[in-house]
Amino acid sequence: AQTVTQSQPEMSVQEAETVTLSCTYDTSENNYYLFWYKQPPSRQMILVIRQEAYKQQNATENRFSVNFQKAAKSFSLKISDSQLGDTAMYFCAFMKLYGNKLVFGAGTILRVKS
Amino acid sequence: EAGVVQSPRYKIIEKKQPVAFWCNPISGHNTLYWYLQNLGQGPELLIRYENEEAVDDSQLPKDRFSAERLKGVDSTLKIQPAELGDSAVYLCASSLSLIGGQNEQFFGPGTRLTVL
Repeated sequence: AQTVTQSQPEMSVQEAETVTLSCTYDTSENNYYLFWYKQPPSRQMILVIRQEAYKQQNATENRFSVNFQKAAKSFSLKISDSQLGDTAMYFCAFMKLYGNKLVFGAGTILRVKS
Repeated sequence: EAGVVQSPRYKIIEKKQPVAFWCNPISGHNTLYWYLQNLGQGPELLIRYENEEAVDDSQLPKDRFSAERLKGVDSTLKIQPAELGDSAVYLCASSLSLIGGQNEQFFGPGTRLTVL
């Protein structure tokens, strides 16, 4: 079975600063997908970024980028130029290559302060 | 384009009462998911539908939970009878029927259930 661990229950960052959220996972699969989802107080879960394990290049989406370390089974999210609207719960998630089931971590609450 | 719609947004009931949640997925999405999200935790899959067929219901507590997706579009999740421990957010998501991680799941706003 796959497990996803987010060791930071809460993080805070000043507006315009950079913050990194940590995620580790455990799997015996060689190819899979990893995701970061954002859940603001409104509760609507939104996909932030996706990484295919068979791609060595780290995924980026505007101010969001990941540091994917396959051997270490680590998948951190970096948010640059943090904005107040980035305040939310962030979930790391795993999916098998040919699966449909997302396995989520417990989440990290991120607070962006002005 | 409308996103995943769920109703109600909030529901408060007394224990032992029945409750039902409704989900309307994004048009054209054949795959529908129900997730349970306990406070301070990540969502956990309860059941996944491919059209009308429940293809993964291994995490659904079948003694009190049931779900249906009769015409392959809308879905209803029911709890009967509800217990105090069922207080949580119930999320619905939908996706195209593509393989694996190409398959972005779009989530609804969820229903927050409080059992008194």
